[in-house]
Amino acid sequence: GQNIDQPTEMTATEGAIVQINCTYQTSGFNGLFWYQQHAGEAPTFLSYNVLDGLEEKGRFSSFLSRSKGYSYLLLKELQMKDSASYLCAVERQGGKLIFGQGTELSVKP
Amino acid sequence: DSGVTQTPKHLITATGQRVTLRCSPRSGDLSVYWYQQSLDQGLQFLIQYYNGEERAKGNILERFSAQQFPDLHSELNLSSLELGDSALYFCASSADRGETQYFGPGTRLLVL
Repeated sequence: GQNIDQPTEMTATEGAIVQINCTYQTSGFNGLFWYQQHAGEAPTFLSYNVLDGLEEKGRFSSFLSRSKGYSYLLLKELQMKDSASYLCAVERQGGKLIFGQGTELSVKP
Repeated sequence: DSGVTQTPKHLITATGQRVTLRCSPRSGDLSVYWYQQSLDQGLQFLIQYYNGEERAKGNILERFSAQQFPDLHSELNLSSLELGDSALYFCASSADRGETQYFGPGTRLLVL
């Protein structure tokens, strides 16, 4: 079977760092995506990890451990505009994407 | 503006009907993805096309079909519509698998 878990909600303070975890169990793992979605808007692609390790893109970084079935999205220097839903999605071999339910992040002043 | 266009923006129809949603990818992108997002199911991957060929299939119902045309635009056909098909349908495009996906604004479908 396949299962993707991420926390439902998180709250953090402006200027702080927050880590959103995603654990997965799936056969035929290919890679892992992270997306950001503001309420009422289309998703925005953040990252795609295939190999183990950390990939940094400005204030956002994404980490993958294939052996542990674990990924996280790290957001630094949080801004109010980072309040959004963050979705992780596993790409299986063959290209099928399976999404987690999303983590609703609230950034407080 | 992502460069991906979707039409129509809103669609209201009745159960049993058939509708076609259209997506034009960003210039130069060969890959098109279709997603469905409803309140109870979250974001679901439906299908991916690459340069006119189906590349990956997700949880797409048999009542749904899609294709990508030679000019790379794509259409998602939804038939025998049910109330539960009411959702936001997003299209995204990318240069290739694993590359940045750019999402269109979505088509909001309401089945009454």
